[in-house]
Amino acid sequence: EADIYQTPRYLVIGTGKKITLECSQTMGHDKMYWYQQDPGMELHLIHYSYGVNSTEKGDLSSESTVSRIRTEHFPLTLESARPSHTSQYLCASSEYNPNTGELFFGEGSRLTVL
Amino acid sequence: LAKTTQPISMDSYEGQEVNITCSHNNIATNDYITWYQQFPSQGPRFIIQGYKTKVTNEVASLFIPADRKSSTLSLPRVSLSDTAVYYCLVGPYSGAGSYQLTFGKGTKLSVIP
Repeated sequence: EADIYQTPRYLVIGTGKKITLECSQTMGHDKMYWYQQDPGMELHLIHYSYGVNSTEKGDLSSESTVSRIRTEHFPLTLESARPSHTSQYLCASSEYNPNTGELFFGEGSRLTVL
Repeated sequence: LAKTTQPISMDSYEGQEVNITCSHNNIATNDYITWYQQFPSQGPRFIIQGYKTKVTNEVASLFIPADRKSSTLSLPRVSLSDTAVYYCLVGPYSGAGSYQLTFGKGTKLSVIP
């Protein structure tokens, strides 16, 4: 079982609110990722990090921001939530391995913005 | 990054073997092929990975022909609990370089009793 945890699992919030989705892993992985997935649709990479103080934007443009102050923690923040941010957000991590690159995913945070 | 094409959906009866084929015509020399499984409301889970020929683990087998332009995930004797979306990903796994995988739309497998 992967040791990567996301909270909250479900969040319903009003427009304009600031929200932070938490992601923590206890595997000591350097690399962490945030994906966004609408129901029945593809996963899109929105942020990734190669280690502490490293953050990069992914393929899909997102108004969210991330931080990586500690290896095990990679929170995602929306300063002002809008209905268009309604989606499932999936956090993942991986470790350096020249032969494999398995991603370990959390169970996701489903965000609904009213 | 190599683009992948796989069927949108498949149906199978319980107990049958299921083969899901993925096309990746522009796969690069240092690309690996990886398959993930995703249940509703959960994150994807790694199933199997290979570079060439055949790879087998306790869950599935992965067949890769010599030209590596396609691959086939084989699930033996599926059960209802195998109903999920299966993603085929192709990409390099260099620990020193960029690591970005593209998840396509996947194949939605429905197992029928």
